[in-house]
Amino acid sequence: QKEVEQNSGPLSVPEGAIASLNCTYSDRGSQSFFWYRQYSGKSPELIMFIYSNGDKEDGRFTAQLNKASQYVSLLIRDSQPSDSATYLCAVNNNYGQNFVFGPGTRLSVLP
Amino acid sequence: KAGVTQTPRYLIKTRGQQVTLSCSPISGHRSVSWYQQTPGQGLQFLFEYFSETQRNKGNFPGRFSGRQFSNSRSEMNVSTLELGDSALYLCASSLRGGAPDTQYFGPGTRLTVL
Repeated sequence: QKEVEQNSGPLSVPEGAIASLNCTYSDRGSQSFFWYRQYSGKSPELIMFIYSNGDKEDGRFTAQLNKASQYVSLLIRDSQPSDSATYLCAVNNNYGQNFVFGPGTRLSVLP
Repeated sequence: KAGVTQTPRYLIKTRGQQVTLSCSPISGHRSVSWYQQTPGQGLQFLFEYFSETQRNKGNFPGRFSGRQFSNSRSEMNVSTLELGDSALYLCASSLRGGAPDTQYFGPGTRLTVL
């Protein structure tokens, strides 16, 4: 079982819709959770992080964490074509390989 | 505050050669991690350095090595290059590497092996 799993996509949504990206992780010791966005040919850029169960909102982005279910998600409201990218989920713990990345989900927002 | 910088941005080498990539972390960050990214394999962890010591290592052959200097700058070396080493090599830095740190990426070095 991979440590961090994501649907590879592509996930296609129309402009203005809500895009929902999901991530599951296997290590219950994971303590912090990150979403990165990566445009083709570019390096990953941090969108947001979440440490506690529940929702965290930042502009059009909302991260949701459920540690009991080992599940973290990212919602993008009012999706724009410029949101089309690969979204990487990462988890961090205090031991071993600190940052573990999922394979990424490719999002396509259709105008 | 300046971000993570990597040099060179692009490299073309031939099989059998060796290459050294450089990474300067964000000021104050002591943990530097290296990743290899290819279309087929995604982002794969190479190794992490903290205070000049390799603290974690991924599942890569010994041809891949690295080091960190006292100013936290890090270098990665790949010897006896193979065609399959063609990839985007990313460096990322964080304060200490453990939770609840946040990791920031450099622009990457695109290596092409011919």
